[in-house]
Amino acid sequence: NAGVTQTPKFRVLKTGQSMTLLCAQDMNHEYMYWYRQDPGMGLRLIHYSVGEGTTAKGEVPDGYNVSRLKKQNFLLGLESAAPSQTSVYFCASSSGSWSPGAYEQYFGPGTRLTVT
Amino acid sequence: AQSVTQLDSHVSVSEGTPVLLRCNYSSSYSPSLFWYVQHPNKGLQLLLKYTSAATLVKGINGFEAEFKKSETSFHLTKPSAHMSDAAEYFCVVRGMANQGGKLIFGQGTELSVKP
Repeated sequence: NAGVTQTPKFRVLKTGQSMTLLCAQDMNHEYMYWYRQDPGMGLRLIHYSVGEGTTAKGEVPDGYNVSRLKKQNFLLGLESAAPSQTSVYFCASSSGSWSPGAYEQYFGPGTRLTVT
Repeated sequence: AQSVTQLDSHVSVSEGTPVLLRCNYSSSYSPSLFWYVQHPNKGLQLLLKYTSAATLVKGINGFEAEFKKSETSFHLTKPSAHMSDAAEYFCVVRGMANQGGKLIFGQGTELSVKP
């Protein structure tokens, strides 16, 4: 049981290049999320998905696209990378249960992206 | 709308002394609250979560937090700091159902532990 995994762990891009970050979970979770972490700002939600084939925008969606073709995978794409997208990206998943005791988000190890 | 405010961006304690990391929340309904820890260059680990079953919540590694509705606070404490507690700590509230249950993070508190 690997939990939530992210690929790649590190990446350096030049401005204007594109790339896709892959998130995979093996817990059969319905909900998946992409966050970015910047110094002094905590984590901010980019996009999320409440089930296979669905996606929705979070707080900071501009410059990113996502897809959830399979329940276990959630892809984050950068079509034309900009230096402002230099950040650490975290994927998370949850069962979506609204029972207070049951709710928890499980995080991946993160992807450190630098755009030069 | 839900939000959390961590009152200290940096806290420094000596090993063996108590730890207090402060968090205030804002929520239009009974909140789901969490504390996460992040060690340097690592991912996030759940320390504890408030489930509404008890106001005093015990977590891993000797941490606990008390939910105080009257003060809208959820402060994190530990009786005796250990060097391995040095990390960044995040107070988190869960968003509403129409927001996909997203987590809303505070800005983080960096805990330093001096020998």
